Amino acid sequence: GENVEQHPSTLSVQEGDSAVIKCTYSDSASNYFPWYKQELGKGPQLIIDIRSNVGEKKDQRIAVTLNKTAKHFSLHITETQPEDSAVYFCAASIRGGTYKYIFGTGTRLKVLA
Amino acid sequence: DAGVTQSPTHLIKTRGQQVTLRCSPKSGHDTVSWYQQALGQGPQFIFQYYEEEERQRGNFPDRFSGHQFPNYSSELNVNALLLGDSALYLCASSPLAGANTGELFFGEGSRLTVL
Repeated sequence: GENVEQHPSTLSVQEGDSAVIKCTYSDSASNYFPWYKQELGKGPQLIIDIRSNVGEKKDQRIAVTLNKTAKHFSLHITETQPEDSAVYFCAASIRGGTYKYIFGTGTRLKVLA
Repeated sequence: DAGVTQSPTHLIKTRGQQVTLRCSPKSGHDTVSWYQQALGQGPQFIFQYYEEEERQRGNFPDRFSGHQFPNYSSELNVNALLLGDSALYLCASSPLAGANTGELFFGEGSRLTVL
């Protein structure tokens, strides 16, 4: 069945350093890949997304890259700040579904001041 | 503009009981999806409602059922609760089906504990 693997499960970086989170998906029909940030006690919030016809997308300090051939996509956060500390989830669209996604298991990012 | 609102925020039930969770979507949204998030895991798709009908369903048993009302609000019902149903239940709304921007707007969830 469809699956999304996410690594690492935890990541600690010094403030100002970069953070990279990687995901692999299994369904070649997936064409939409969002990234969500979940703070303690909150619901997930979309931070960036990418569609399969694009290889890279950037929004200020956040960027996402997609390698369709390898079925890999990654989140890059530069110049990390303490407020970036949260759990990050990658997700992939499910074949034949609308607004139906399979999520990775999450990465807990800690930015150390 | 209120976002997605869910109630209750926390509740405790015992095995075998039934529970109903409620969700009001973001203004302007007509599609509601429900996700289950076990502790330390990513959200798992339960089902999705549009035009008061279940349109898509994930791999969850029939004990999980739902409803959507004419004002687009939705309920999630779980019967015969099991210990394994303990989780954060997230409601997410999305814009009119034709828009298909991809973005899901999540509520803060209802944390269910089954004892």
